[in-house]
Amino acid sequence: SQQGEEDPQALSIQEGENATMNCSYKTSINNLQWYRQNSGRGLVHLILIRSNEREKHSGRLRVTLDTSKKSSSLLITASRAADTASYFCATGLYGNNRLAFGKGNQVVVIP
Amino acid sequence: EPEVTQTPSHQVTQMGQEVILRCVPISNHLYFYWYRQILGQKVEFLVSFYNNEISEKSEIFDDQFSVERPDGSNFTLKIRSTKLEDSAMYFCASSEQDPEAFFGQGTRLTVV
Repeated sequence: SQQGEEDPQALSIQEGENATMNCSYKTSINNLQWYRQNSGRGLVHLILIRSNEREKHSGRLRVTLDTSKKSSSLLITASRAADTASYFCATGLYGNNRLAFGKGNQVVVIP
Repeated sequence: EPEVTQTPSHQVTQMGQEVILRCVPISNHLYFYWYRQILGQKVEFLVSFYNNEISEKSEIFDDQFSVERPDGSNFTLKIRSTKLEDSAMYFCASSEQDPEAFFGQGTRLTVV
């Protein structure tokens, strides 16, 4: 079965720097979504990229999708202390809206 | 901005008791979901609900679990006889036709 899997990174960066995290998956997907979770809180939807898209932007976020490599990356530019959170990728298959989540990347932005 | 709301935020229950977790999805959404996240683990899919019936469920969603949309706005998850291993954060989510799913803040269930 397919599942999103982030590189098991814990990033610690200075405010203003860029943060990049990666996600790989195993089977063909319909879409891939990125979520943010602050400690003990809910999942905040960041961005959705469909299988026929290669890159998408939303504010300071840039997501890429390489279906040949079955991987995606999330770039946060000009990071802020408020970006400190866990970031999850989640993949969706064709024919249903069920999401398979990865383990998450912990990002700490130091002011 | 419309959001998914969940109540309660934290529920403590004794093993063997029934619990009902409540959710109000975004009003024009058609698909509803429950996920759970055991502490330190991945977010796991439980069930999806569309057109007043379950459209898909995972192997986790056994006979102890049930979902209901009792009226036009609420969506509930019932666990009939809770076990210690049911302790987790339970997330409700909803989406329109589009697969973009919006999640609530979660209910932290603690079974003692």
